[in-house]
Amino acid sequence: DAGITQSPRHKVTETGTPVTLRCHQTENHRYMYWYRQDPGHGLRLIHYSYGVKDTDKGEVSDGYSVSRSKTEDFLLTLESATSSQTSVYFCAIRGTGTSLSSEQYFGPGTRLTVT
Amino acid sequence: LAKTTQPISMDSYEGQEVNITCSHNNIATNDYITWYQQFPSQGPRFIIQGYKTKVTNEVASLFIPADRKSSTLSLPRVSLSDTAVYYCLVVSHGSGNTGKLIFGQGTTLQVKP
Repeated sequence: DAGITQSPRHKVTETGTPVTLRCHQTENHRYMYWYRQDPGHGLRLIHYSYGVKDTDKGEVSDGYSVSRSKTEDFLLTLESATSSQTSVYFCAIRGTGTSLSSEQYFGPGTRLTVT
Repeated sequence: LAKTTQPISMDSYEGQEVNITCSHNNIATNDYITWYQQFPSQGPRFIIQGYKTKVTNEVASLFIPADRKSSTLSLPRVSLSDTAVYYCLVVSHGSGNTGKLIFGQGTTLQVKP
């Protein structure tokens, strides 16, 4: 398995509190992604990064921010959590050595519950 | 990005070959067809990718006709452990490609004993 971990793996928080999820990789890959997965929606891209301090929005970025201060870490922050952000969050990485590959490696996921 | 359409669910029995078809009528010249597999409580896992004709690896085969408007993922002799959700994606490999993946709802394959 690719060296990608997520923390925490499970979290329960209250509405209105800030939450930060961490994605850590040991592969030195350039691209990192945050997705959320909800029943009936498959996976949806929240934000992605194409290098240190280089990030961009995905299709469901409202209410989320990201930061990448070093290659190995990509943080996803919910500034003020809402119940609609209850979901399973997946981080993924992709290198550029295989530029014609659509292969991303996914982390184990973080199950977030906002009460 | 080209939208894909695939069956919501399929059932099969152990030892059978399973074919999952995906349609992508608006596929562009720079687009590749990619399939992912996801088991419960795990992240998706890349299975196979192709541009045209046939691609085969140790897990599956991917058949793409000349017009590329559809593709078929073939899983030979499935086992119970192949029960999973299978996603068909169309991914652009043009200039400025950021590798963003757009997942649909996938096909839930249930393999029965």
